[in-house]
Amino acid sequence: RKEVEQDPGPFNVPEGATVAFNCTYSNSASQSFFWYRQDCRKEPKLLMSVYSSGNEDGRFTAQLNRASQYISLLIRDSKLSDSATYLCVVNERAGYSTLTFGKGTMLLVSP
Amino acid sequence: DGGITQSPKYLFRKEGQNVTLSCEQNLNHDAMYWYRQDPGQGLRLIYYSQIVNDFQKGDIAEGYSVSREKKESFPLTVTSAQKNPTAFYLCASSTPGTSTDTQYFGPGTRLTVL
Repeated sequence: RKEVEQDPGPFNVPEGATVAFNCTYSNSASQSFFWYRQDCRKEPKLLMSVYSSGNEDGRFTAQLNRASQYISLLIRDSKLSDSATYLCVVNERAGYSTLTFGKGTMLLVSP
Repeated sequence: DGGITQSPKYLFRKEGQNVTLSCEQNLNHDAMYWYRQDPGQGLRLIYYSQIVNDFQKGDIAEGYSVSREKKESFPLTVTSAQKNPTAFYLCASSTPGTSTDTQYFGPGTRLTVL
């Protein structure tokens, strides 16, 4: 069974802190990678895609290590509004979008 | 206003009843998906459809049925054969074959069996 593993947390951090989440995936043939954010009792929303060269979107940086089958998400200068569950998501087949979801890592940012 | 809509937001069902969850999208996406989420669990794929009049079973299709008569619509029926239907049901859509093949989700339906 192909899997995506994440530390469930919760990660408790103060505002302004930097926090990093990791994710490992079991299928070495996986094609594309994403981080989604899910607020309590809401639908997942795409945070960012993860590219082989690494990519940044404001305070968020995502990295992919294909050799180690490892994905990371770094959040700098945490805001209260960053409190959510972050889902690591892997697509195993190019151009054929059936995703495998991790169970998520919960982040709680406190004042 | 483009997006995915699901209805109802909350649904209560008595044991032994079939219920149908609605999912509509106006994003012109070819593919649509149904997932189930249980507390503390990842999303699990129930059914998906790449094109109209075609759909495939996902990982947990037993006790569910779908139809795809229109590109915009992909209703899910939870039948009485589904042993533990209480869950959060999420519909998504995408356009496979694009460089990002990203899935976008509707707001979900919470189903509770009484």
